[in-house]
Amino acid sequence: GEDVEQSLFLSVREGDSSVINCTYTDSSSTYLYWYKQEPGAGLQLLTYIFSNMDMKQDQRLTVLLNKKDKHLSLRIADTQTGDSAIYFCAESRGTSGSARQLTFGSGTQLTVLP
Amino acid sequence: KAGVTQTPRYLIKTRGQQVTLSCSPISGHRSVSWYQQTPGQGLQFLFEYFSETQRNKGNFPGRFSGRQFSNSRSEMNVSTLELGDSALYLCASNPSTGLGYGYTFGSGTRLTVV
Repeated sequence: GEDVEQSLFLSVREGDSSVINCTYTDSSSTYLYWYKQEPGAGLQLLTYIFSNMDMKQDQRLTVLLNKKDKHLSLRIADTQTGDSAIYFCAESRGTSGSARQLTFGSGTQLTVLP
Repeated sequence: KAGVTQTPRYLIKTRGQQVTLSCSPISGHRSVSWYQQTPGQGLQFLFEYFSETQRNKGNFPGRFSGRQFSNSRSEMNVSTLELGDSALYLCASNPSTGLGYGYTFGSGTRLTVV
């Protein structure tokens, strides 16, 4: 299957940590990505992780990958109002053909409350 | 460094007409992919071009077509427009065939079919 699933909504208080979760079904996923989309804008690549990694940290962002459970999470530390957006999890897989397409989750709307 | 440029930003077309959307990738990027984003179906892969050749195609009817020019610029065409074609069409470029580079997206073209 090609499903990538995310919860639809998340609300956090400014200054708290946000954790956005994603599950995927295809064990051949090679790279997993997190994209951010603000209203009226395209997709902004936040970070990506190769499938042989467990964790990747980039400033306020931490990505955790559990290959056994096919679970990916994005943690945003010290969440700010500017982080309010839709966050998409995406995967690409294999080494040819379908590897060149991204399969996206439905997106998680993150709302940061003051 | 200029990003991915999509033109026009907004389009209104009548059912039955055809439309052409344009995408200029980041300089040096040779791979261009197209995605359709709708509230109901989310983000779906349309096709991907590399060196003027379509390498991969999503599950869309033949009314959706594309091409890539020698300067890597790409166009997509939708013929015989239907109301359901109303969507945000996103273009993404990638520097090479490498999976780990991620894709840089443009801001999209918002197509409304009336």
